Amino acid sequence: DQQVKQNSPSLSVQEGRISILNCDYTNSMFDYFLWYKKYPAEGPTFLISISSIKDKNEDGRFTVFLNKSAKHLSLHIVPSQPGDSAVYFCAASDHSGYALNFGKGTSLLVTP
Amino acid sequence: DVKVTQSSRYLVKRTGEKVFLECVQDMDHENMFWYRQDPGLGLRLIYFSYDVKMKEKGDIPEGYSVSREKKERFSLILESASTNQTSMYLCASSSYRESREQYFGPGTRLTVT
Repeated sequence: DQQVKQNSPSLSVQEGRISILNCDYTNSMFDYFLWYKKYPAEGPTFLISISSIKDKNEDGRFTVFLNKSAKHLSLHIVPSQPGDSAVYFCAASDHSGYALNFGKGTSLLVTP
Repeated sequence: DVKVTQSSRYLVKRTGEKVFLECVQDMDHENMFWYRQDPGLGLRLIYFSYDVKMKEKGDIPEGYSVSREKKERFSLILESASTNQTSMYLCASSSYRESREQYFGPGTRLTVT
């Protein structure tokens, strides 16, 4: 059963606008969340993470928001750039810290 | 900079062949992982290892085995390759003491004909 869900398979945004990618999870034991970015024919690269003790984490153009009560997190990219076009995976882990549970990914296309 | 390398970027094998996929990391990480990525299914964990000679099944271990004889090396073995194992295989490593971030290799695109 999918414990991390990304319900939007794709998203198209104009350059300069905000991209919002959403992720929901079902396991209340998850306490750490990560976003990865993946280009075709490459491995995923880490983008940003957030611990469950926080509700927001920023890194440059990327901000992740966590709503624990709703079991929901989102990644905001402002402003979006064509180079941001990639597949974005949401991932979560529990206190054991070993495996990550990944969502199915959202393909972001940023158009000029 | 963490580096995770995989032995092949592209591999074509025949049904029934034994296939070895090798992964090496250079950061002295304790944990290593094998995932497969398929369109519409995301990344699914096959096996992971948290120490030398230790292994744990992930979500889809059937048809696969692993070997970790040295800390830096984690091998995925397809004992008898089948067409439904055609996929992108991704290796990752992490050090739990530092963070839960996993570092991924470039992937191996395996085609079984």
